[in-house]
Amino acid sequence: SQQGEEDPQALSIQEGENATMNCSYKTSINNLQWYRQNSGRGLVHLILIRSNEREKHSGRLRVTLDTSKKSSSLLITASRAADTASYFCATDGEYGNKLVFGAGTILRVKS
Amino acid sequence: EAGVAQSPRYKIIEKRQSVAFWCNPISGHATLYWYQQILGQGPKLLIQFQNNGVVDDSQLPKDRFSAERLKGVDSTLKIQPAKLEDSAVYLCASRDSEGGYGYTFGSGTRLTVV
Repeated sequence: SQQGEEDPQALSIQEGENATMNCSYKTSINNLQWYRQNSGRGLVHLILIRSNEREKHSGRLRVTLDTSKKSSSLLITASRAADTASYFCATDGEYGNKLVFGAGTILRVKS
Repeated sequence: EAGVAQSPRYKIIEKRQSVAFWCNPISGHATLYWYQQILGQGPKLLIQFQNNGVVDDSQLPKDRFSAERLKGVDSTLKIQPAKLEDSAVYLCASRDSEGGYGYTFGSGTRLTVV
């Protein structure tokens, strides 16, 4: 069974706007990762945040983690049409040895 | 470094036929995973190997699915007989258990069962 839920299921924004996606999970984790998937393609790793971290940045990406609420958010700033894709959060278990994915958020950036 | 290689890229079969997928992980990666991703859903773990041993196959439908990783390198995933609901993308991933948290995914095999 999948670990958690992602919210929203779909998001449509204009180029230049920010996009925020949320992820909730159920069990203790070692780390949480975000992946992007373009239609029909494999998964591309975006960013990883460890359970003892609260916020992490990578380029236009900002990830937060609240282990007390078992939730994470991914913010993409100044979105581009090329950001159009599905985004998945995945939790790496307490012993850090397998990824469990959420259902994903479909992001569409209109130019 | 070369990525995770998977073949074939696409496969269309009739129900009740058999099919096999192949995965070649990143050289030296001890851990290999097979995921099933049904359209509109997130990937679901089917089986996890550590070298040539199975670590977790709790979500593998063993009545029709089988997987092996001979010699702890390449892996094959087989479905026999296939059902319509097996239509999905089958993703292979590998991970270096010596350190780091990085998982590398292959491009996947898109299976359509008609």
